[in-house]
Amino acid sequence: SQQGEEDPQALSIQEGENATMNCSYKTSINNLQWYRQNSGRGLVHLILIRSNEREKHSGRLRVTLDTSKKSSSLLITASRAADTASYFCSNAGGTSYGKLTFGQGTILTVHP
Amino acid sequence: NAGVTQTPKFQVLKTGQSMTLQCAQDMNHEYMSWYRQDPGMGLRLIHYSVGAGITDQGEVPNGYNVSRSTTEDFPLRLLSAAPSQTSVYFCASSRRESTDTQYFGPGTRLTVL
Repeated sequence: SQQGEEDPQALSIQEGENATMNCSYKTSINNLQWYRQNSGRGLVHLILIRSNEREKHSGRLRVTLDTSKKSSSLLITASRAADTASYFCSNAGGTSYGKLTFGQGTILTVHP
Repeated sequence: NAGVTQTPKFQVLKTGQSMTLQCAQDMNHEYMSWYRQDPGMGLRLIHYSVGAGITDQGEVPNGYNVSRSTTEDFPLRLLSAAPSQTSVYFCASSRRESTDTQYFGPGTRLTVL
């Protein structure tokens, strides 16, 4: 079963624009993470937000979490061509530490 | 640190053949796991290990075996390859204190004919 579902499935923007991706999940969580996957590569951890946090920043990344709606969003500001990748949200559920589940991901294309 | 390494990068098998996908990490991480990624889908957990000598099943364990004799290595064995096992396989590791922040290897692309 897929715990996280990302939306939209694909996003195409111009360099300099902001990109927003959303994630919905089904069960309770301890924390939620966002990962990036460049084409043909493994996943890279971007940011983790805990269930008691509502917003977190890391450089050009801003993540929000709404546990009442079971949803999260990832905002990439001032996007660059190098941000072109697939983005996945992931979490282990309330009692399944380390057993991550992933959605299908959002494919982000940033045009120079 | 090399991080998480996987070999081979590519492999083609015939139905019924067996093989072992290798995974090693040099970060002294206790937790290691194997995922498969199919087109248009997220990663699905196959097996995981919380330490040497301890393994457990994930979401899609059928057709795969694992063992963890050392902290560094976590090989994945395909017992009798089937076309349904055509996929990209990723190994990941993490510290016990933060198992949700996992470090991924570059992947092995496996095709079963």
